[in-house]
Amino acid sequence: AAGVIQSPRHLIKEKRETATLKCYPIPRHDTVYWYQQGPGQDPQFLISFYEKMQSDKGSIPDRFSAQQFSDYHSELNMSSLELGDSALYFCASSLGQQGPGYEQYFGPGTRLTVT
Amino acid sequence: DAKTTQPPSMDCAEGRAANLPCNHSTISGNEYVYWYRQIHSQGPQYIIHGLKNNETNEMASLIITEDRKSSTLILPHATLRDTAVYYCIVRLSSGSARQLTFGSGTQLTVLP
Repeated sequence: AAGVIQSPRHLIKEKRETATLKCYPIPRHDTVYWYQQGPGQDPQFLISFYEKMQSDKGSIPDRFSAQQFSDYHSELNMSSLELGDSALYFCASSLGQQGPGYEQYFGPGTRLTVT
Repeated sequence: DAKTTQPPSMDCAEGRAANLPCNHSTISGNEYVYWYRQIHSQGPQYIIHGLKNNETNEMASLIITEDRKSSTLILPHATLRDTAVYYCIVRLSSGSARQLTFGSGTQLTVLP
């Protein structure tokens, strides 16, 4: 079965540079979530989109922005990168509001290293 | 969403059942119990969820107490590949897209 695709899988950037992470949800899934997982930490919710509209917002820095496109893929744009942004970034997708069973399916993550 | 409490770590012998407890004493009537796991540095993986009744699927069983204040995830025959951090998450089932709030989870180590 098709899974969530994230690209790139690994990314190395320098401080103050920008980065764009991409997420391709499971076909027919209309909701995308972004999570950040720092070293030794648990995943933390950043932002989500349902039907191309921002749905919920978590602890996402102002330097970060995201959007969901007409084909439901999503991009997380990160500017003025800091060393503390080094983390695993996971995207998850679900069928947004389809009742109690709309579990989230996670991608393999993008490992961002800021030097 | 209700807060959950899990033991930080547990060991289990390969082939034996792994029973992972979770306390969620402040759970409300319309909140579900979800379990996810994360194998080292991989994306979290959905395991099972339930509201009141016990649930079973091909991966695990979920036992929820009658007062719904605690639950237990059971992996009936643990294998080395089940070594992971297991997260118990309580969340609403409806409304706007609901993010997952990950707590500290339980590091399950399956021993050969």
